[in-house]
Formats: sequence, C-alpha cells, structure tokens
Amino acid sequence: ILNVEQSPQSLHVQEGDSTNFTCSFPSSNFYALHWYRWETAKSPEALFVMTLNGDEKKKGRISATLNTKEGYSYLYIKGSQPEDSATYLCALNSGYSTLTFGKGTMLLVSP
Amino acid sequence: DSGVTQTPKHLITATGQRVTLRCSPRSGDLSVYWYQQSLDQGLQFLIQYYNGEERAKGNILERFSAQQFPDLHSELNLSSLELGDSALYFCASSDRLAGGYNEQFFGPGTRLTVL
Repeated sequence: ILNVEQSPQSLHVQEGDSTNFTCSFPSSNFYALHWYRWETAKSPEALFVMTLNGDEKKKGRISATLNTKEGYSYLYIKGSQPEDSATYLCALNSGYSTLTFGKGTMLLVSP
Repeated sequence: DSGVTQTPKHLITATGQRVTLRCSPRSGDLSVYWYQQSLDQGLQFLIQYYNGEERAKGNILERFSAQQFPDLHSELNLSSLELGDSALYFCASSDRLAGGYNEQFFGPGTRLTVL
C-alpha cells in the first residue's frame, strides 16, 4: 500500500499572503506526481503533472516543485486570493494505471 | 467542465437497499475509474475499467460491483447498503489504460447518504 501524505491538513491565510504545502510519497515508487485543485461542490481539476526530479511548474500565481530522490513535492501560492480557497490534492502515479491520492490540504483565504 | 458526467447528483436511501450510480466519460476516453471520498479519508480508488473490461481493483467491497458498457458509460452498483457507505463517489476518465502521465478527469460526483 502506497502512502501519500499531505501537510498541513488545513490552512487559513489572509488575502495577499503567500503559502505553501507539502506532499510526501515513497521515492522508490515514483513515476509521476499529480496536483489537483478541488473546490467545494465541484470536480477535482488537474493543476500539474510532474515527472522529473527538479521539475518546477507554474500556472499564474501557483507553482510546484518536485524532489523524487527524497520523495516530496511543494505547492506554492503567491499572494493568495479568496478564489484560491479549495482543497489541494496530490496523487502518485507509480507506473500502473491507478493514482494514489493524499488526503489533501484544505486552504481557506479570507478577504 | 471536465466533460465527465455523473448522475444522480444526490441520492438518499435506507440501509439494506441497492443503488446504481452512473458515469459517462469524456468523449474518446476509454478508461473509467471509480473513487470513494468518505469523511476524513482521501480519495479511495475502487475500480478501473478500460474499454469494457475490468483492469484494476482497489479497496472495493464485495457488496459493490461495476461495469462498463459498449458505449463506454459505466455504472457502479452498491448493494446491502450500510451507514458507512455514505460518501461522495467520483468517476474519472482517462484516454489511456496505463503508463504515460495518466491524467484523469473527474466528474462532479454523486453524494450518497444512507439513513
């Protein structure tokens, strides 16, 4: 059983704050790492797929880094806005057809 | 909008009953995945179908079953329902069987409440 851990479990920041959270995974089972953004009452939406050690991806104010040797990925949000409030999920693809998800980090951004 | 549709959106039923959840994948996607999201749990993978055939099984109970039809839509059947089966059930689809990055596109989910 693959263990994908996310921390913190939840986070409450003020508008304009920058924030980051962590996804840890077993480095020996790595093929790709996915980040999803899940807003309440909506579907999880893909943010990034990361495959190479040292990968850095960016979409607007959101960016992610990957360290496959030590088994972690960071997601950063610069200048958080209320519309960034969501649960951020990471999922490990270990080379098979399925994804193993972490429990997510719930972010609340207050105006 | 991911292009994946799920019906119904909400379902309320009693213990011991049986329900069917339906999913239509994105146009052209052959793989369908079912996940269960319970309170305090991450998305738990249940089962995968590819082009009509079962391809991978996760933490799916024997009381649950699924199938994928020739038109590629899929149904998840939950029987002898228990209170603990109350959860959000997601369907996702992908254009591949395995390998590659296997990006999955999620439907809006079905909220099942067992009373």
